[in-house]
Amino acid sequence: SQQGEEDPQALSIQEGENATMNCSYKTSINNLQWYRQNSGRGLVHLILIRSNEREKHSGRLRVTLDTSKKSSSLLITASRAADTASYFCATAPTGGFKTIFGAGTRLFVKA
Amino acid sequence: SAVISQKPSRDICQRGTSLTIQCQVDSQVTMMFWYRQQPGQSLTLIATANQGSEATYESGFVIDKFPISRPNLTFSTLTVSNMSPEDSSIYLCSVRQTGGEIAEAFFGQGTRLTVV
Repeated sequence: SQQGEEDPQALSIQEGENATMNCSYKTSINNLQWYRQNSGRGLVHLILIRSNEREKHSGRLRVTLDTSKKSSSLLITASRAADTASYFCATAPTGGFKTIFGAGTRLFVKA
Repeated sequence: SAVISQKPSRDICQRGTSLTIQCQVDSQVTMMFWYRQQPGQSLTLIATANQGSEATYESGFVIDKFPISRPNLTFSTLTVSNMSPEDSSIYLCSVRQTGGEIAEAFFGQGTRLTVV
């Protein structure tokens, strides 16, 4: 990818379990965002965390950011079958306006 | 927020032909972005389209292959020229609000292109 890597590339869990996805990036950033994409459709914005924030919550989502390690994680708690999708981290590099995407994690939640 | 409409939503094209994808935004935005998503892959930025100036292309993408127009602050087109099967991808238009705090990017639903 243009910016960094995500792991795992694919994740399969049972409904009710938690899912954790990790993202690494290469440059200094203004913020980091997480997106969801269902079956090759358009992207849905999930959450944005600024470079001076370390953790952020939104519903069942918890995002952490470690700028010293240039990494972030997305935790989805109590997963549902409807959470099955691809998840991408994306960064806004410092001083720029582009949004650069990580490689993505394919999450499959089994009912 | 911004609502983005992309047309066409999908197309099947013959190799050697060209396809122009349209992106319409419901508000004026300074910068628009075009991405490509190859099958099973992440999004790769093709270029940044600014109104009144030539688009800025990322490494690996050239204007002759992907000409872009940006006639006003709510509209842009991306043309995929002289297509080959390797151009089969989803192409997405995106905008970001600029000025003040930099916020999230908004995306159209994408154009699914199949080249045969």
